[in-house]
Amino acid sequence: DTAVSQTPKYLVTQMGNDKSIKCEQNLGHDTMYWYKQDSKKFLKIMFSYNNKELIINETVPNRFSPKSPDKAHLNLHINSLELGDSAVYFCASSLTLSGSHSTEAFFGQGTRLTVV
Amino acid sequence: AQKVTQAQTEISVVEKEDVTLDCVYETRDTTYYLFWYKQPPSGELVFLIRRNSFDEQNEISGRYSWNFQKSTSSFNFTITASQVVDSAVYFCALSEAAGISNFGNEKLTFGTGTRLTIIP
Repeated sequence: DTAVSQTPKYLVTQMGNDKSIKCEQNLGHDTMYWYKQDSKKFLKIMFSYNNKELIINETVPNRFSPKSPDKAHLNLHINSLELGDSAVYFCASSLTLSGSHSTEAFFGQGTRLTVV
Repeated sequence: AQKVTQAQTEISVVEKEDVTLDCVYETRDTTYYLFWYKQPPSGELVFLIRRNSFDEQNEISGRYSWNFQKSTSSFNFTITASQVVDSAVYFCALSEAAGISNFGNEKLTFGTGTRLTIIP
């Protein structure tokens, strides 16, 4: 059973299109994230959600819109795709414990988005 | 602001040699967590370790060991008797602790990664 699963694994699309990436976790975690890995392998957070509530939005263009229908799902919709959006997008989840505890994040296998 | 520096961009060693990957971090938080992740050629991110800022004990897990030194803000990773399967990009990361009002704010700040190649 895959703990954090993303679909699709590969996505090739033309500039200007709208696309979505889906993410689901079966770990019972309450926090989910989207990270972007660029061509130089640099990983940077885009969004985080806790119990369906947006917590972090790291100055991502508003063409990117996350949606969390429930705790186990966090989807990423991208409008008007641009060449610079080409990257690997990782979904992740973690469990927030009571008090000041941060647990490790488990990542999906990534979605390689190529905009042509 | 938090920052993680992995000065070694690429390392190549011959199989069975030991190798240490360096990680230096910056944070103003007194409570924080440090992580190492492995990204093999297949592309997934594999969690290796999490270390609490209050726990400076070194940790060993099989051929892997981690040396956390708060005095130098370093969290180095050593692979002993390296194997070809260890070839991957390794990321060090830092997160701040989630306070009661900060649930969901445990973002990871990653270093730029070290590409490790083990030569058979």
